[in-house]
Amino acid sequence: DQQVKQNSPSLSVQEGRISILNCDYTNSMFDYFLWYKKYPAEGPTFLISISSIKDKNEDGRFTVFLNKSAKHLSLHIVPSQPGDSAVYFCAASARVYKFYFGSGTKLNVKP
Amino acid sequence: DVKVTQSSRYLVKRTGEKVFLECVQDMDHENMFWYRQDPGLGLRLIYFSYDVKMKEKGDIPEGYSVSREKKERFSLILESASTNQTSMYLCASKIAGTTDTQYFGPGTRLTVL
Repeated sequence: DQQVKQNSPSLSVQEGRISILNCDYTNSMFDYFLWYKKYPAEGPTFLISISSIKDKNEDGRFTVFLNKSAKHLSLHIVPSQPGDSAVYFCAASARVYKFYFGSGTKLNVKP
Repeated sequence: DVKVTQSSRYLVKRTGEKVFLECVQDMDHENMFWYRQDPGLGLRLIYFSYDVKMKEKGDIPEGYSVSREKKERFSLILESASTNQTSMYLCASKIAGTTDTQYFGPGTRLTVL
């Protein structure tokens, strides 16, 4: 049973607009959340993270929001660029070495 | 530049063969991981090693074993490959004791015929 779910397999957005990627989790013990980006033929690379003591973390064009009561996090990309086209995975952890990953959302940013 | 390398990008094996997947990291990380990635299922942890010669089962260890004789190298072994082990295998490493990011290798696409 997946503890981290990304219900949208794909998302298409126009360049310059906002991309919102969503992730839901079931385990209330998760206290650290990460987003990874994956290009074809490459391994995932770290994008941004958030601790459960926060509800928002920003890094340039990327912002992650955490709603603990809803067990939901989202990644906002503003403005979206064609180079952002990739598969995005969210991950959650309750222990420093055990991470649970979602199934990924493929983002396509159209020029 | 940090680096995690995997011995093969593509591998084709026959059912029943013993398969070795090698992973090497140059960051002196204590923790190393093996995941498999399947469509609709994301990344699932097969095995984890928190230091040399130390290992722990992940969520799907059945049919796999691992070896960590040196800090920089973590091997995944399929004792008798089966078709349901056809998948993308990803190795990762990280610093021990923190939730710091894992660094991933490029993956090995294994096909078992």
